[in-house]
Amino acid sequence: AQTVTQSQPEMSVQEAETVTLSCTYDTSESDYYLFWYKQPPSRQMILVIRQEAYKQQNATENRFSVNFQKAAKSFSLKISDSQLGDAAMYFCAYRSYNTDKLIFGTGTRLQVFP
Amino acid sequence: GAVVSQHPSWVICKSGTSVKIECRSLDFQATTMFWYRQFPKQSLMLMATSNEGSKATYEQGVEKDKFLINHASLTLSTLTVTSAHPEDSSFYICSALPLGGVTQETQYFGPGTRLLVL
Repeated sequence: AQTVTQSQPEMSVQEAETVTLSCTYDTSESDYYLFWYKQPPSRQMILVIRQEAYKQQNATENRFSVNFQKAAKSFSLKISDSQLGDAAMYFCAYRSYNTDKLIFGTGTRLQVFP
Repeated sequence: GAVVSQHPSWVICKSGTSVKIECRSLDFQATTMFWYRQFPKQSLMLMATSNEGSKATYEQGVEKDKFLINHASLTLSTLTVTSAHPEDSSFYICSALPLGGVTQETQYFGPGTRLLVL
């Protein structure tokens, strides 16, 4: 069975600085999707970024980018120029090609200080 | 695009009553919707997968007779918590998979429903 591990329960960053959130996963599959979701205090889950495993190029969405290392089964999220609005819980998630289900990590709480 | 709504956003009910929560995809069709439960400071726990026109598939340990799921159309799924008890108090979140399109592998989430059973 696939598992997703987020080893950092909490992280903090100063406004305008860069922070990296870690995520590792375990799978025997070669084709899958990886996601980062953000859950702010409102608790609305918001898609931050998505990566297809067959793509070697790391996904980027404005200030958010990932470092996808398939062989190492690592999928870290880098947030550049951090803003106060980035403060939230961040969940890493895995989805197999063969199922619609998402497998979530335990989350990392990000605090942003002015 | 890809907006999912939930109603109500919060509900307080007496023990023993039933509560229905609606999940709607507003600007897309979804053959598959999911229901999650989230306890404070924890991750999302998948309760069931709901497919339009067929019976829901429940995760191990989830009581199907207690958490009734109906997916009557391509834009609406409902979760009914029957004979609710205080231990059912939680935050319930739905998500939907778009039917077709480039984002069909991505789940879009509703804003959640906070249930408090007294």
